[in-house]
Amino acid sequence: AQTVTQSQPEMSVQEAETVTLSCTYDTSESDYYLFWYKQPPSRQMILVIRQEAYKQQNATENRFSVNFQKAAKSFSLKISDSQLGDAAMYFCAYRSAELNNNNDMRFGAGTRLTVKP
Amino acid sequence: NAGVTQTPKFRVLKTGQSMTLLCAQDMNHEYMYWYRQDPGMGLRLIHYSVGEGTTAKGEVPDGYNVSRLKKQNFLLGLESAAPSQTSVYFCASREQGARETQYFGPGTRLLVL
Repeated sequence: AQTVTQSQPEMSVQEAETVTLSCTYDTSESDYYLFWYKQPPSRQMILVIRQEAYKQQNATENRFSVNFQKAAKSFSLKISDSQLGDAAMYFCAYRSAELNNNNDMRFGAGTRLTVKP
Repeated sequence: NAGVTQTPKFRVLKTGQSMTLLCAQDMNHEYMYWYRQDPGMGLRLIHYSVGEGTTAKGEVPDGYNVSRLKKQNFLLGLESAAPSQTSVYFCASREQGARETQYFGPGTRLLVL
């Protein structure tokens, strides 16, 4: 079974600076999707960014970008110009794209990000 | 559109009591999921459904049952609650296709005494 590991339980960043959250995963599959979700104190799960494994180009969404290293099975999230509203739990998730797979998501344990004013 | 809604938002149960959590989605999604979230463990899949009338077990199904009688609703049942089932429960739904975005409900906090 695929596993997702987030080795940083907590991270902090100064407002307006850049922070990188780490994620590694274990899979024998070649076709899959990777996601970063944000969970603020409201508990609502919000999709931040998505990466298709077959794409070499790293996904970007405004201040959020990823560094996807397929061979290393690494998928880190970079948040630039951090804002107070970025403070949240961040979850990395994996979903298989293989046929005959139920395509459910596997989540990491999460990283709690604190933004200091 | 309301998206994915969950009822109730919070509940306290005594050990041995039963209850049903309701998830409803108005996006006509085929796939629906129930997860539990515990500190330090991320979200773990309890049960899921790939269409009306179908259900399947996820990673941690013991102690739970589900039903999907209508496409828009996915019910999670606890027949005899245990303290180990104290958790935050999330429902999610999405279209078919592995690329599709998964939409989550706001969560239900359950405390079993």
